[in-house]
Amino acid sequence: QVQLQESGPGLVKPSGTLSLTCAVSGGSISSSDWWSWVRQPPGKGLEWIGEIYHSGSTNYNPSLKSRVTISVDKSKNQFSLKLSSVTAADTAVYYCAREYCSTTSCYVGYWGQGTLVTVSS
Amino acid sequence: SYVLTQPPSVSVAPGQTAKITCGGNNIGSKSVHWYQQKPGQAPVLVVYDDSDRPSGIPERFSGSNSGNTATLTISRVEAGDEADYYCQVWDSSSDHVVFGGGTKLTVL
Repeated sequence: QVQLQESGPGLVKPSGTLSLTCAVSGGSISSSDWWSWVRQPPGKGLEWIGEIYHSGSTNYNPSLKSRVTISVDKSKNQFSLKLSSVTAADTAVYYCAREYCSTTSCYVGYWGQGTLVTVSS
Repeated sequence: SYVLTQPPSVSVAPGQTAKITCGGNNIGSKSVHWYQQKPGQAPVLVVYDDSDRPSGIPERFSGSNSGNTATLTISRVEAGDEADYYCQVWDSSSDHVVFGGGTKLTVL
C-alpha cells in the first residue's frame, strides 16, 4: 500500500517561499498516476493546489498558478511543492496525495497525514 | 472556474438517513467524488465516480448524480459518521480539481 509523508519547515516568514517534499513509499512515483498537493486553512475547507505526472507534466489551480511550482525527483521517489510570496493567508495544513485519473476525471485515492505550515514573522 | 455548492451543515438522528447535496452547473455530466474528514485527520475517499465505493467503505454510503445536483446518502447513520464531507469534480475546462466547500454532518 502506498504511503505518503510530507516534510519541510513548519514556519515560513511572510514574502518568503514555502517548500515541502512528499516521500512516496510502497509504490513507484513513475506509476501511471498523478501526484498532487492539497491544502486546508485552519477551520476551513480543502483547496487543490496542483498536480504532477512522473514525466514532469503539471496542472495548477488557476488561483495559485503564478506562485506555485511542483516538481518530481524520480531517483528519490518524491515530489515537491514550492509556493512563493507567501502571506498569512497561506497558513494551512498541506497534504500530498496520489490521484487516480481517467480520461474524464481525477480523484484522490491516497493522502499523506498532512503538515501544518504557519506563515508568520 | 467551476463552482460546487454544499450546505454548511446537515443534522440527523442515529439510525436515520442523511443526504448531503453538492450543486453545480450540469454536474450530472461530470464524475463526482466524495470524501469524509474527521477532526485532525486526512480526508478519506468514500465514494468515487458518482456511486462506486472503495474497498473497506460500508455499503451504507452511496452516491447519485443527475442534473445540477449530486447526492451522498448515508443510511443507518452511526455516531462514527459524524464528520465533514466534501464533494469533488475535475474541471476539464481548466484541467484542475475542484472541491465543494464542505458539509458538517452532526449526529444528534
